[in-house]
This record gives sequence, structure tokens and C-alpha cells, in this order.
Amino acid sequence: KAGVTQTPRYLIKTRGQQVTLSCSPISGHRSVSWYQQTPGQGLQFLFEYFSETQRNKGNFPGRFSGRQFSNSRSEMNVSTLELGDSALYLCASSLGGDNTGELFFGEGSRLTVL
Amino acid sequence: GQNIDQPTEMTATEGAIVQINCTYQTSGFNGLFWYQQHAGEAPTFLSYNVLDGLEEKGRFSSFLSRSKGYSYLLLKELQMKDSASYLCAVRGSLASGGSYIPTFGRGTSLIVHP
Repeated sequence: KAGVTQTPRYLIKTRGQQVTLSCSPISGHRSVSWYQQTPGQGLQFLFEYFSETQRNKGNFPGRFSGRQFSNSRSEMNVSTLELGDSALYLCASSLGGDNTGELFFGEGSRLTVL
Repeated sequence: GQNIDQPTEMTATEGAIVQINCTYQTSGFNGLFWYQQHAGEAPTFLSYNVLDGLEEKGRFSSFLSRSKGYSYLLLKELQMKDSASYLCAVRGSLASGGSYIPTFGRGTSLIVHP
């Protein structure tokens, strides 16, 4: 059974640019969550999608957005990049409708903003 | 609000036992998770506690005291490969979107030396 796949694994952008990250959940998992991981703050929740709808959103500015497709694949977008957006962006999928199960994480997309 | 505390870093010797503590203050409680994350890799699920007491799984055990807002992860017979970051995550109250969003601690970096 394939795990959670995130692409790209590494990317470098400059301030002001935008970036799109992709996540393919485990087959059959309908909930996809996104987290930002930095050394200082740990894992910070960005948003969660279920059946193509954003169910919950964390405390991040509107520059951070996402969507989910009918096949449960999800993308997140960050516009007008800032230096502080440099982080590891982790996607996690789960089976349950209310997200009660454990999270299965991808290896992340490491974004560096110069 | 949600607050989860765990030590930043711990060191231990191969073959020894180490206990990683986690204290939490959350709005509601619906379970506590421990994840392991090796450098450059995805976090992987280790354990889940929702009732008070000890859950044992091989060399790893996790303990929960809900009245004290306290958990620990116990690692026995430490091996070099146990060098990793250990993340404590608490599932609080049901979020507005009808699902549970776990809050993560900043992680404890465990270094196992020969």
C-alpha cells in the first residue's frame, strides 16, 4: 500500500513568488491535513480538507490556501512568499470522517525562500 | 488555548532506558499521540493513549494521566537507530469543522550515543 506522496521534495523560491505543493494521500483516505514545520515552532496546523471541502483552518494568513480534488489529492499554495515561509510543509492523511485515527505523514516539501 | 510542553533535547546511552515527558493544557481531551521523526523523514505513529495508564508496544511504552495533563514515552534497550525527534500530539475538543485537529508539541530530539 503506497504511503502519502508529496511533491516536490525540495524547492527554492525568492521573496514575492508563489509556490504550489502537491499531496497524494493513501488510497481510501479522504481527510488531508497540512502542517508547517519549523525548528522554532514545531508542527503548526495549516488546514484540513475532507471530500473537497476545507473543514478546518489554522492561524495562517490568507496567502496560504489549499484545495482538494475529487480523488482526494490535495494542493496547497503560498502566494507572495516571505523569508519566514521557509519551512518543511507536511501533508498527512487519515481514514476517518472525523479524523479520529492516526495521521499518516508524507516526507514533506522543504521550501527555502531567498 | 492549547499548550504542549516537552523537553527540547535529551541524550542517552545505547542499551539504556529513557523517558520523554509531555505535559499539556488543552480545551478538552480526546487522545494523545506519540510520533517519531527521523531527520529528513516523515513522522511515523508510535502510540495512542486515551485512557489513563500504560500502553506497551515492544520496546516502547506510553503512559497517560489525564488528571495531571501528563504523558511520557518510555524507550527501553535503546538502539542507535532510536536517535530521532519524538513528537507529542494532543487531540482536544472537536473543531468547528466537525473533526479533530491534533496539536503538536515542538518535539524532543533524542540523541543515543554508544
